[in-house]
Amino acid sequence: EAGVAQSPRYKIIEKRQSVAFWCNPISGHATLYWYQQILGQGPKLLIQFQNNGVVDDSQLPKDRFSAERLKGVDSTLKIQPAKLEDSAVYLCASSLDSPGSGNTIYFGEGSWLTVV
Amino acid sequence: AQSVTQLGSHVSVSEGALVLLRCNYSSSVPPYLFWYVQYPNQGLQLLLKYTSAATLVKGINGFEAEFKKSETSFHLTKPSAHMSDAAEYFCAGRGGNTPLVFGKGTRLSVIA
Repeated sequence: EAGVAQSPRYKIIEKRQSVAFWCNPISGHATLYWYQQILGQGPKLLIQFQNNGVVDDSQLPKDRFSAERLKGVDSTLKIQPAKLEDSAVYLCASSLDSPGSGNTIYFGEGSWLTVV
Repeated sequence: AQSVTQLGSHVSVSEGALVLLRCNYSSSVPPYLFWYVQYPNQGLQLLLKYTSAATLVKGINGFEAEFKKSETSFHLTKPSAHMSDAAEYFCAGRGGNTPLVFGKGTRLSVIA
C-alpha cells in the first residue's frame, strides 16, 4: 500500500515569497491533516479536512496560510507571504475516517521549508 | 482539552539497557493514545496505540506501553535498547472529537 506522498521534500525561499506544498493521502482515506513541526517541537495541527470540507482550521494563520482539498483527495498548503518563523517541516497525514476515533493517522515524510 | 506531556526532552541509555520514555495525558474523556517515532529527516512512524482494548499495548521493534488511568500515564518501554532505536519519540493523544495533540518529543540516544 502506498503511503502519504508529499512534495517538494525541501524548499528554500526568501521571506515575503510564496510557497506551495502538495499532498496525496493514502487511497480511501477520508481525513487529511496538515501539521507544522518546528525544530525541537512536536507537530502542531494546522488544518484538518474530512473529504473536501474543513473540520478544524483554528490554528491556521489565515492571513498568510491557505489550504484546499479539491475533490476530496489531494491537498495543497500555501504560504504567502512567508516569514522567517515559518521555517519548519510541514507534515501531511491521513486517516481512514472521522475524527474522534482511534484510527491510526499515517504521516508523509514531510516538506522541509527554510525561509531566509 | 486534551493535552500530552512528555517528561524529559533527552534520554540517554546504554545499548542493552532498559528504555523508559514517559508520557502523561490530561483528558475529560477516555483517550486514544499513540507513540510515534521519527528518524532524522523522515516523517512519523506509528509504534503503537491504545484504543481501550487492552491496557498493555505491544508495538513494533519490541516496544510496549502501559495505559494507567490512575496515573494518567502511557509510558513507553523496551527491555533492551539497540543502537537503531536512537531517534525522536512523540507521545500523542486525542479524546472525543478533538484533534491529535502531540507532546514536545523525547530524543533517545543509545550509547555503545
